[in-house]
Amino acid sequence: DGGITQSPKYLFRKEGQNVTLSCEQNLNHDAMYWYRQDPGQGLRLIYYSQIVNDFQKGDIAEGYSVSREKKESFPLTVTSAQKNPTAFYLCASSLLDGSSYNEQFFGPGTRLTVL
Amino acid sequence: GNSVTQMEGPVTLSEEAFLTINCTYTATGYPSLFWYVQYPGEGLQLLLKATKADDKGSNKGFEATYRKETTSFHLEKGSVQVSDSAVYFCALKEYGGSQGNLIFGKGTKLSVKP
Repeated sequence: DGGITQSPKYLFRKEGQNVTLSCEQNLNHDAMYWYRQDPGQGLRLIYYSQIVNDFQKGDIAEGYSVSREKKESFPLTVTSAQKNPTAFYLCASSLLDGSSYNEQFFGPGTRLTVL
Repeated sequence: GNSVTQMEGPVTLSEEAFLTINCTYTATGYPSLFWYVQYPGEGLQLLLKATKADDKGSNKGFEATYRKETTSFHLEKGSVQVSDSAVYFCALKEYGGSQGNLIFGKGTKLSVKP
């Protein structure tokens, strides 16, 4: 079955540590996205990528980094520079053909807690 | 810039009640509009969408009509069930936008009581 997988589902990190969240898709989508979700804040875009080896900052990129070495994979690293990293992180992907109606497909999310 | 405004929740209804969740948007071009649903502890799922003015999206008994004159995309369902309890997000995507990402509202939590 096609879809998006994120791992792990729950992640705990000590302050000062970097941590990497995994996102893999087998939908053959060109574009991939990382969102952060906080209670009452909706979803905010961290980074997105439209093609391998290229990615762009979203609205809240500070303290995060990404890579896109393969079409299927778009890992997100939460660095120690991120001041308030505890949140629910969602990865998404979509086709990218210049139209506006291609939906984004979401993974199940990773809940990161900083201890 | 582009933005989406949803009615604040939580919304609590009894089973079989009528549901309306208001959504209005601001956009410079001709966006597509979406409603996503998030069940507890899960990612988002597309519920319905509309790509141009006067289009009506529908799915699982939910409906929303793209109203350009009022810049609205209100979500409605005639008879809610306990299983509809979730958080609902309105979102827009600008046509031809370089980012391709969605602009989300803050979400509205719906609780349906038996």
